[in-house]
Amino acid sequence: KQEVTQIPAALSVPEGENLVLNCSFTDSAIYNLQWFRQDPGKGLTSLLLIQSSQREQTSGRLNASLDKSSGRSTLYIAASQPGDSATYLCAVNSGNTPLVFGKGTRLSVIA
Amino acid sequence: DAGVIQSPRHEVTEMGQEVTLRCKPISGHNSLFWYRQTMMRGLELLIYFNNNVPIDDSGMPEDRFSAKMPNASFSTLKIQPSEPRDSAVYFCASSLADTQYFGPGTRLTVL
Repeated sequence: KQEVTQIPAALSVPEGENLVLNCSFTDSAIYNLQWFRQDPGKGLTSLLLIQSSQREQTSGRLNASLDKSSGRSTLYIAASQPGDSATYLCAVNSGNTPLVFGKGTRLSVIA
Repeated sequence: DAGVIQSPRHEVTEMGQEVTLRCKPISGHNSLFWYRQTMMRGLELLIYFNNNVPIDDSGMPEDRFSAKMPNASFSTLKIQPSEPRDSAVYFCASSLADTQYFGPGTRLTVL
């Protein structure tokens, strides 16, 4: 059974810092990996999707990497801003199966 | 498109009552997912449909939970009878390919 772990559970950084969020999964036979953002009381917004054949994806100040063989992904946020404060969730699926989610990292960026 | 629409946004009910949650997926999407989110367990898949057919309902906690998708534009998740431990945020998501799009969720409180 696939399990997804995210470390740390919570992170607080000053504005302007670069930061890395970590995600690991137990079964490397994944189809793709997604990073989501969730604001308090809101639904999930997809940030980046990495296919299993890809190594990384970039969107603006966000860069997600995937090392499938080691079962790891990182989400890099450059020059963090208070507006980046949210919970970031990592999720994987294997073929035509639903996503399995980690419990998320709660990020606070302090102005 | 308005995105995935869920109703109600908030529901407070008493133990033993029937609860029906509703979801309208994004037009043209052929997969629909119901998730439940709690602090303790994070986001968990309850059931998903492909082309209106239930594919995997192994996440449905017990017989008190049932889900239907009578057509491509509507799905319901019903809990009967409801219990306090059912209190959670219930998300609906839809997809056509790899990326899942989430609704805003229904926050259910069972007293």
